[in-house]
Amino acid sequence: RKEVEQDPGPFNVPEGATVAFNCTYSNSASQSFFWYRQDCRKEPKLLMSVYSSGNEDGRFTAQLNRASQYISLLIRDSKLSDSATYLCVTPSGGYNKLIFGAGTRLAVHP
Amino acid sequence: DAMVIQNPRYQVTQFGKPVTLSCSQTLNHNVMYWYQQKSSQAPKLLFHYYDKDFNNEADTPDNFQSRRPNTSFCFLDIRSPGLGDAAMYLCATSRPTGEGTEAFFGQGTRLTVV
Repeated sequence: RKEVEQDPGPFNVPEGATVAFNCTYSNSASQSFFWYRQDCRKEPKLLMSVYSSGNEDGRFTAQLNRASQYISLLIRDSKLSDSATYLCVTPSGGYNKLIFGAGTRLAVHP
Repeated sequence: DAMVIQNPRYQVTQFGKPVTLSCSQTLNHNVMYWYQQKSSQAPKLLFHYYDKDFNNEADTPDNFQSRRPNTSFCFLDIRSPGLGDAAMYLCATSRPTGEGTEAFFGQGTRLTVV
C-alpha cells in the first residue's frame, strides 16, 4: 500500500460548485499533513497545513479523520483560478521527509 | 524575494553527458530535498539532507548523486543522463518543528535529455 493515496481525478466542476477531495495515509503515527497546490509546469505551493482535526482558510477547509486515516480538502464556491493539481503530503520516517500523493486534478469550467 | 533558488530553470543535456543542477536557500533550513517529477506524476523523493546527514531513498538510481557543501547550497549530479531522466527536478527546504514540516520549493529545473 502506498504511504499516501489520492484519487487522480480529474474532477470537472462548474464555477461556484463545492468540491471535495480525499487523501488516505498508511502511517497511523503521522502527526501533520499538508495540502499543496501545483499549477501546470510550476512548483508545488503550500495551500494548507493540518495538525489537529482540521483547518479553514476562506473557501478552503481541510479536515483530518485519524480513525479512518484520511484527510479531506473542501473547496467552496469554486473559481476558474482553482483549476490545478492538489497534492496531499505527510512527513514520513526520520527527519520528517515529505511524501507526496500522486495528486488530484481539478478543472473548474465556466 | 525568492527563498529557494534553482539554477538553471531549463537545462538541455546530451545523453550520457554529466549534468549538475543547483539549489540555494536563504531560509537557513536544516533539511534540503531533491525531488524528481515526471509529467502527471507525484514528486518522487530522490534524497534529502538533514544538516550534513545524507539520506538516500532505496530506489534512487546510482546515477544520481548529491552534494551539500554548506547549509545554503545543494547540488544534484546526474552522472550519465538517460532519456528516462528527463523530468522536472524540484529542490525544497524545511525546518522540522514540533508540529510538522512545511516545505518551501524552488521553481524547479526542467531537464531535457537529447
